[in-house]
Amino acid sequence: EAGVAQSPRYKIIEKRQSVAFWCNPISGHATLYWYQQILGQGPKLLIQFQNNGVVDDSQLPKDRFSAERLKGVDSTLKIQPAKLEDSAVYLCASKGFSTDTQYFGPGTRLTVL
Amino acid sequence: QKEVEQDPGPLSVPEGAIVSLNCTYSNSAFQYFMWYRQYSRKGPELLMYTYSSGNKEDGRFTAQVDKSSKYISLFIRDSQPSDSATYLCAMSLPLIQGAQKLVFGQGTRLTINP
Repeated sequence: EAGVAQSPRYKIIEKRQSVAFWCNPISGHATLYWYQQILGQGPKLLIQFQNNGVVDDSQLPKDRFSAERLKGVDSTLKIQPAKLEDSAVYLCASKGFSTDTQYFGPGTRLTVL
Repeated sequence: QKEVEQDPGPLSVPEGAIVSLNCTYSNSAFQYFMWYRQYSRKGPELLMYTYSSGNKEDGRFTAQVDKSSKYISLFIRDSQPSDSATYLCAMSLPLIQGAQKLVFGQGTRLTINP
């Protein structure tokens, strides 16, 4: 079974620029999560999708972050405009219906200069 | 006060030692308790999962939950250099529609020295 795929793996941008991350969850997994992990901290949930509907986005900075999950499969997370404090690893995870286990992708490491 | 507190370490022990990792929490609504392991430049992977007070053992790993004290632990016996990683405790909160939300601790960076 293929794992959660994310791209790009690394991204360096200037502040005020835009950036987008892509996630392909494990096939058949209805729930998809985006986390932000700042260096030295645990992952923080940004947004959770159930199929293509949003379940929780209470910690998503909606003035600059947006996310979508088209057709309930792949998802993109966008930051526009980026700030220095957005430098972090952005992790995507997915979960099947019959399990409580979240499977994480390798993450995208974002550096904002 | 953070909902989940975890000592970030770093923790360095010799090979073969018993390792004890701990987290405390403040939210009584947490339902499930997990330990994730994260190797450098990788995503977290689930190590242990439990939902009740008591001990759960899996090979060299034992997860312990004390809901009355709001305290969870992970013990690693006969530690190996390959156990060197960051260990994250995580706790689940119920959301609408039967969904769950994970709240992670800060992570403890562990090094096992050969």
